[in-house]
Amino acid sequence: EDQVTQSPEALRLQEGESSSLNCSYTVSGLRGLFWYRQDPGKGPEFLFTLYSAGEEKEKERLKATLTKKESFLHITAPKPEDSATYLCAVQAGQAGTALIFGKGTTLSVSS
Amino acid sequence: GAGVSQSPSNKVTEKGKDVELRCDPISGHTALYWYRQSLGQGLEFLIYFQGNSAPDKSGLPSDRFSAERTGGSVSTLTIQRTQQEDSAVYLCASSLQHRLSGNTIYFGEGSWLTVV
Repeated sequence: EDQVTQSPEALRLQEGESSSLNCSYTVSGLRGLFWYRQDPGKGPEFLFTLYSAGEEKEKERLKATLTKKESFLHITAPKPEDSATYLCAVQAGQAGTALIFGKGTTLSVSS
Repeated sequence: GAGVSQSPSNKVTEKGKDVELRCDPISGHTALYWYRQSLGQGLEFLIYFQGNSAPDKSGLPSDRFSAERTGGSVSTLTIQRTQQEDSAVYLCASSLQHRLSGNTIYFGEGSWLTVV
C-alpha cells in the first residue's frame, strides 16, 4: 500500500534556527513528490514538485530535496511568517492517480 | 476566476440533513479533485474528475457521498443523511490535466462542514 509519513509532527524553532522536515514514502512507481504549505483556515498552497532522486528546488528560505526513499524540506534562517503546516504528497502508479498526503509537520517559529 | 473557488465556506447542518458543496475550478483546468481533511488527519482523497467523467471514485467513504461535474467546470459534492463523522473540511483542487507531471495542482480554501 502506498504510504507517506512525515516527521516530526510538530517543530518549534527560534527565528534564525535552521532545520529540516522529513517526508518518507513507500510507493510503487513514484511519478512526483509535492510539498505544500497550509496556514490555519486556508487551503494548501503549492511550494515544490520533485520528480527524480537527486533533484533539488529552492524558494526563498526553503529548499526541497529528494532521494529514492524520502524528501527533506530544509528551512534556512526561518522567520515567524514561515510558521505553518507543511504537507508532503506523492503521486504514484503508471496511469497517475490523485495525490497521497502525509499528515503534515506543524512548524512554529518564534522571534 | 483567479483561483479555485468553493462555497459555502462554512456550513452547519443537523444530523440527517443533506448538504451540497460547490467547487468552481480554475478556468481551463480539466482535472478536478475532492479531498477531505479531518482535525488532526491528513488529506483524504475522495474523487477525481477528468472533464465530466469520474474515473476514480475509490475514496468516497460511503454511498451517502456523491459528486458530479457539469460542462467540464463546476462540481458539486453531495452528502446525504449527514452524520457527525462527516464533519471536516472539504477541499477542492484543480489542475490543467490529470497527468500531473509538469502540472501544478491548486487548492481552494475549503468548505468547513459541521454536523450537529
